[in-house]
Amino acid sequence: AQSVTQLDSHVSVSEGTPVLLRCNYSSSYSPSLFWYVQHPNKGLQLLLKYTSAATLVKGINGFEAEFKKSETSFHLTKPSAHMSDAAEYFCVVKYGGSQGNLIFGKGTKLSVKP
Amino acid sequence: DTGVSQDPRHKITKRGQNVTFRCDPISEHNRLYWYRQTLGQGPEFLTYFQNEAQLEKSRLLSDRFSAERPKGSFSTLEIQRTEQGDSAMYLCASSLAATLTDTQYFGPGTRLTVL
Repeated sequence: AQSVTQLDSHVSVSEGTPVLLRCNYSSSYSPSLFWYVQHPNKGLQLLLKYTSAATLVKGINGFEAEFKKSETSFHLTKPSAHMSDAAEYFCVVKYGGSQGNLIFGKGTKLSVKP
Repeated sequence: DTGVSQDPRHKITKRGQNVTFRCDPISEHNRLYWYRQTLGQGPEFLTYFQNEAQLEKSRLLSDRFSAERPKGSFSTLEIQRTEQGDSAMYLCASSLAATLTDTQYFGPGTRLTVL
């Protein structure tokens, strides 16, 4: 079955240090990959998406992700964490031929310490 | 704000009652999706519509669940004879089906608590 795995359920960083949230997907022809963020009591917001163009994707708020087909990975990074980045992050995959179905990872909770 | 809206934001009900949720998508979007998110999990797909046609349903959508989008605009999700296991956040999303990689925009969700 198609799936996406977020390798860490919780990541804690200090403000100003780099962020790395890891994501692997099950291999399939032409996946589309997304990262969404969910702040407490707010809706899911799209951070960035990969759709078979450039493998390094830049998103909002300084986040970026790199699609690595050989490693079936799509890790999310940010050079310097801000307190406002504390939230739940979801790696999401949509496979070619699937018209609607987004498959979400279980999420990674990011904590940012002052 | 012209994003996806959902009503109500919170619903508390007793086991066995019926509940109905409403979703209003972004106005020009022709696709509408329903997801369910339980505590500590990512959202799980339930069903989706293109215009008024319901094109895909998950096995999670038992026959107690029914969704409609009668005029291709807003949608309703009804749960009959609610059970405690139905307690979750119900999320609606919409997209414009220009390509296969259309981006889904999510509403704030309806949190259902079944007592």
